[in-house]
Amino acid sequence: EVQLVESGGGLVQPGRSLKLSCAASGFTFSNYGMAWVRQAPTKGLEWVATISYDGSSTYYRDSVKGRFTISRDNAKTTLYLQMDSLRSEDTATYYCARHPIYNNWGWFAYWGQGTLVTVSS
Amino acid sequence: DIQMTQSPSLLSASVGDRVTLNCKASQNIYKNLAWYQQKLGEAPKLLIYNANSLQTDIPSRFSGSGSGTDFTLTISSLQPEDVATYFCQQFYSGNTFGAGTELELK
Repeated sequence: EVQLVESGGGLVQPGRSLKLSCAASGFTFSNYGMAWVRQAPTKGLEWVATISYDGSSTYYRDSVKGRFTISRDNAKTTLYLQMDSLRSEDTATYYCARHPIYNNWGWFAYWGQGTLVTVSS
Repeated sequence: DIQMTQSPSLLSASVGDRVTLNCKASQNIYKNLAWYQQKLGEAPKLLIYNANSLQTDIPSRFSGSGSGTDFTLTISSLQPEDVATYFCQQFYSGNTFGAGTELELK
């Protein structure tokens, strides 16, 4: 059974940093591009970043470029999102999600349960 | 950036109704579109990919159609468990989601 379990969310002050993790199991992690998708309270879904199956390529939405870093450890089957210089508009539930096999794009067939990040003083 | 517009934003329907949700892309995305269902307090669930391919274990009352800029998600006979918000996503260029259609029971 495919499982994606996020952790690391919490309350953080504007300008500070936070690192999210997503532990994957039930599939060959190193074969799949992975992504972070966020959802602000009562709002819609917003793609944040994608990393290729081997970690060689990364992609970000404009509003997080230079502040967020997506990475992965295939040996630990874990996805990460390092978030620096956080802003109030980054407040959201962050989901990790899996792209189709060997793809850095496409639909998200599996999602984690999400971890809430609140940026507030 | 490609914009995705969903309509209506809120839809009220009765059990057994045929329900149609719409999604329009700001430019041609061919068939690079997915549909998701999100129930309150849960993560999104993939229903349809490549505009009309039904994801494994999704009931056959769900179907998708369209290509280019105009797409439709149809529920052939609405069930109580289908109450949710539905999102479309384009993956032709980057990833963009629509704002969602909230589906409620009349």
